Amino acid sequence: EDKVVQSPLSLVVHEGDTVTLNCSYEVTNFRSLLWYKQEKKAPTFLFMLTSSGIEKKSGRLSSILDKKELFSILNITATQTGDSAVYLCAVDDRGSTLGRLYFGRGTQLTVWP
Amino acid sequence: DSGVTQTPKHLITATGQRVTLRCSPRSGDLSVYWYQQSLDQGLQFLIQYYNGEERAKGNILERFSAQQFPDLHSELNLSSLELGDSALYFCASSAKARVGGEKLFFGSGTQLSVL
Repeated sequence: EDKVVQSPLSLVVHEGDTVTLNCSYEVTNFRSLLWYKQEKKAPTFLFMLTSSGIEKKSGRLSSILDKKELFSILNITATQTGDSAVYLCAVDDRGSTLGRLYFGRGTQLTVWP
Repeated sequence: DSGVTQTPKHLITATGQRVTLRCSPRSGDLSVYWYQQSLDQGLQFLIQYYNGEERAKGNILERFSAQQFPDLHSELNLSSLELGDSALYFCASSAKARVGGEKLFFGSGTQLSVL
């Protein structure tokens, strides 16, 4: 059973659209939630969230965490073709094996010109 | 560029064979993590080493083994390969022993194809 569930699995939009990616999780002892962007190969770090309600922003990307409802969203405004990638959500479970991050299966975002 | 180096980039081999994947972590990072990514499974944690010692174990098969050397580079050995082992294998590094509160830096991965 997946501990981290991302939705939608796939999303196709046009440039300029705003998208919202969802990540819900179920872990014993939450420590942090991380968002990664995976283009061709290596996932690259976007955000790390540890506290509820605090929005993290980087340019057109922003993310917020709701620890009570056990989910996070990643927003991308004014999308560009360069935003096309798989977006991965990962959760650090303090109660799990040391060093283990639970990854979701990702949301494949495709931005058409 | 994350600073994590993986070789080779691509590997094509036959069933039953053995391969070795290599990873050099970012300068100064003591932890190395191995992940397997397949189309239907997403990123699966295999194993973690910290400063030469095995720190955590995930869904790693008995046919797979890893080690971290004194210079902190790591190798993942996959033996008796099966078709289902075809996947992208990532190495990631971090400075600390515990991933919590710290981001991982991923290498570009080794694409393994077992024919």
